[in-house]
Amino acid sequence: SAVISQKPSRDICQRGTSLTIQCQVDSQVTMMFWYRQQPGQSLTLIATANQGSEATYESGFVIDKFPISRPNLTFSTLTVSNMSPEDSSIYLCSATQDTEAFFGQGTRLTVV
Amino acid sequence: EDQVTQSPEALRLQEGESSSLNCSYTVSGLRGLFWYRQDPGKGPEFLFTLYSAGEEKEKERLKATLTKKESFLHITAPKPEDSATYLCAVQAAGGSYIPTFGRGTSLIVHP
Repeated sequence: SAVISQKPSRDICQRGTSLTIQCQVDSQVTMMFWYRQQPGQSLTLIATANQGSEATYESGFVIDKFPISRPNLTFSTLTVSNMSPEDSSIYLCSATQDTEAFFGQGTRLTVV
Repeated sequence: EDQVTQSPEALRLQEGESSSLNCSYTVSGLRGLFWYRQDPGKGPEFLFTLYSAGEEKEKERLKATLTKKESFLHITAPKPEDSATYLCAVQAAGGSYIPTFGRGTSLIVHP
């Protein structure tokens, strides 16, 4: 199984600023994803991170707000831009190996 | 559209009181069904993958089973450390590898 390291684990940010979250996988994986999880809710897919090309965003999420990079098979970043309190959430990196999906420990973001 | 419904939303058990969590799904051909455990403030921890009806998998006090319409996560003689949210997800055959998640069952086991 893949081991996913995600950082930072938590942060408190001022509104209007941006935060970049990093995700490193210890082995090559098929796909990488970014999710958001509001308190008490299930996971909402933000986008699929594509190696060497633009990410594929789900409905309701746009590149200007959540730019994503994936320069190689094992590393990806998600930036939450121009943050507002509504962006406070847990952000999760996920990677699939064969058909199984694994998750990082998450980044708990609080915007004040 | 793929759908996953988990029940109950919340479950409280006494230590040692066995029970089952349900995951009903609708998918146009199943590639795999996944169970995860999630502790508060943490990412989901992978537990099992089930691929075909009749398949069963076990890990300590947990056993997952699969039919053509639903999966059960049986918890035998639970302990307080089994308290967590349990998530179910399905992956459709022939499509992308993006899983569809249910809303989870929050399990609390009292000593």
